[in-house]
Amino acid sequence: SQQGEEDPQALSIQEGENATMNCSYKTSINNLQWYRQNSGRGLVHLILIRSNEREKHSGRLRVTLDTSKKSSSLLITASRAADTASYFCATVFGRANWGYQKVTFGTGTKLQVIP
Amino acid sequence: NAGVTQTPKFRVLKTGQSMTLLCAQDMNHEYMYWYRQDPGMGLRLIHYSVGEGTTAKGEVPDGYNVSRLKKQNFLLGLESAAPSQTSVYFCATNPGSGANVLTFGAGSRLTVL
Repeated sequence: SQQGEEDPQALSIQEGENATMNCSYKTSINNLQWYRQNSGRGLVHLILIRSNEREKHSGRLRVTLDTSKKSSSLLITASRAADTASYFCATVFGRANWGYQKVTFGTGTKLQVIP
Repeated sequence: NAGVTQTPKFRVLKTGQSMTLLCAQDMNHEYMYWYRQDPGMGLRLIHYSVGEGTTAKGEVPDGYNVSRLKKQNFLLGLESAAPSQTSVYFCATNPGSGANVLTFGAGSRLTVL
């Protein structure tokens, strides 16, 4: 399976601290995405990094990608209580024309930010 | 603009009963997906569709059927529900061009007794 694995499974930090989550995957990808899921809700796309990129920023989010190690990390800086959620990495792989690209999700990291 | 709407949000079934989950999108997206989410398992792809009238199997298709008769709707059917199908089901869409960014519905929680 192409499924990514997130690490840690759960993370608890104080408000204002940084949170780092890691994702490892198995084979070559076209891009890697991170999604957020609030309790009882659907997933929401946060950020995408392509296979030829090494780092991407969006607001308080920083994503890195190391294709040689087949791993990615998501850093949330200056965390807030509202960041409490589960975070999933998703790998996109296969032929780069529509119909052959597949998206598979990891098992997620549950983040709790304590006020 | 509702995005992706799933109905029903909750359902309790007895073993052997049948039901259909409806996913409706108003974004004119080509691709639609059904995932199930179980504790510790992440999201697993059940079936997907790359356009009106097409369907394809995902990772865990057994026990489910789908149809995409209209571009905006993607139906997931359980012909004979089993307790192993107790899960939260998510529908997702993407435009069919670009990087495969998914837009998700809010989920449908199904319990099979």
